[in-house]
Amino acid sequence: GAGVSQSPSNKVTEKGKDVELRCDPISGHTALYWYRQRLGQGLEFLIYFQGNSAPDKSGLPSDRFSAERTGESVSTLTIQRTQQEDSAVYLCASSLPATQLAGRTDTQYFGPGTRLTVL
Amino acid sequence: AQKVTQAQTEISVVEKEDVTLDCVYETRDTTYYLFWYKQPPSGELVFLIRRNSFDEQNEISGRYSWNFQKSTSSFNFTITASQVVDSAVYFCALRWGNAGNMLTFGGGTRLMVKP
Repeated sequence: GAGVSQSPSNKVTEKGKDVELRCDPISGHTALYWYRQRLGQGLEFLIYFQGNSAPDKSGLPSDRFSAERTGESVSTLTIQRTQQEDSAVYLCASSLPATQLAGRTDTQYFGPGTRLTVL
Repeated sequence: AQKVTQAQTEISVVEKEDVTLDCVYETRDTTYYLFWYKQPPSGELVFLIRRNSFDEQNEISGRYSWNFQKSTSSFNFTITASQVVDSAVYFCALRWGNAGNMLTFGGGTRLMVKP
């Protein structure tokens, strides 16, 4: 089936502008995650959505970052008043819900990412 | 706090050599999950393996094998008879108990396999 898709694949913007990044998760995946990967570094968790529960925003680096998700489908990550340090690849992942009682966790499948360059 | 350390930032081998990528993790939870992902030059993260903290059996999948040792908090990844197509950045990641399903990633190891 189709994997996680993200758009745009590349975004170049000027410092101070707002940007919106989109993620379409795998159908049926109720959990959705955003991560940031700076050049040459590992991934940093940003935000996590699980079904209709309140999102876990603990990884968002500042109040310029926000994300929304409509039901269990598309999510958008918005960065307001972009700064040069926001330049990175923004990766989205989705998974089936973690089932703690069963001792299971479900693998996150990643999209191709959006490369954001802030000039 | 949760932490994943991949001490090797870059490894270079010649094709057909075996190579081991190290991963050391820290967590206070007794229930946790460990993952390896591959990130080829195209950029997309490819899932390789998931292992839970109660299963210390080593696993082999073709040329790939994983050695999980709770005593040393390590989850090392070995590629046997490496190939040029194995060239990528490899990430080890940890998901812990009750904190949703978020992953903590190591810094990655860039593997270059030369012909």
